Amino acid sequence: EAQVTQNPRYLITVTGKKLTVTCSQNMNHEYMSWYRQDPGLGLRQIYYSMNVEVTDKGDVPEGYKVSRKEKRNFPLILESPSPNQTSLYFCASSLFPGEMNTEAFFGQGTRLTVV
Amino acid sequence: AQKITQTQPGMFVQEKEAVTLDCTYDTSDQSYGLFWYKQPSSGEMIFLIYQGSYDEQNATEGRYSLNFQKARKSANLVISASQLGDSAMYFCAMEAGGTSYGKLTFGQGTILTVHP
Repeated sequence: EAQVTQNPRYLITVTGKKLTVTCSQNMNHEYMSWYRQDPGLGLRQIYYSMNVEVTDKGDVPEGYKVSRKEKRNFPLILESPSPNQTSLYFCASSLFPGEMNTEAFFGQGTRLTVV
Repeated sequence: AQKITQTQPGMFVQEKEAVTLDCTYDTSDQSYGLFWYKQPSSGEMIFLIYQGSYDEQNATEGRYSLNFQKARKSANLVISASQLGDSAMYFCAMEAGGTSYGKLTFGQGTILTVHP
């Protein structure tokens, strides 16, 4: 089954404790990205990757890191989480950026709370 | 820069009736795509329908149709014969060209509640 898998689904952590949210897709997609969802703001892109070893900032990259060492995996790293990073996070992948009607497949979401 | 505006924070509809969720967009790109996603209370994002900027006909997928008015820069979602399971958050999103390829710009979302 084609899917994007995020882990964990729920996470409560303390300020400053490094954490990683994993994301893996089994569709051989080139384009992967991370979004955060906040009430009244919709989803905003954090980082994206066009292919292996190619990553770039989205609209809200501060406080986050990513890496793309393999095509299927795109982890999101919070080196020193702060309460303002409490949010619902989505990983998404799509086949060909620039090919319109390329549906983005989303992971199940990770609800992160930083206390 | 691209922008999506959904002006209806919440909408209510009676079961079996039709409902329209509004979406307006702004972009300077000639080539772009418009998407609608559904997010039920469980949180996942479910793709509903797509409309390309060069598509001459409005997109339809089952009970979903997209009322695309290019001159007005609107891409409203019409859900016919609403069902209780349609109660969810709905997001309008756009993918534009240039350096924004692949990136989805989302609206604020509309919460739809279907009453029995």
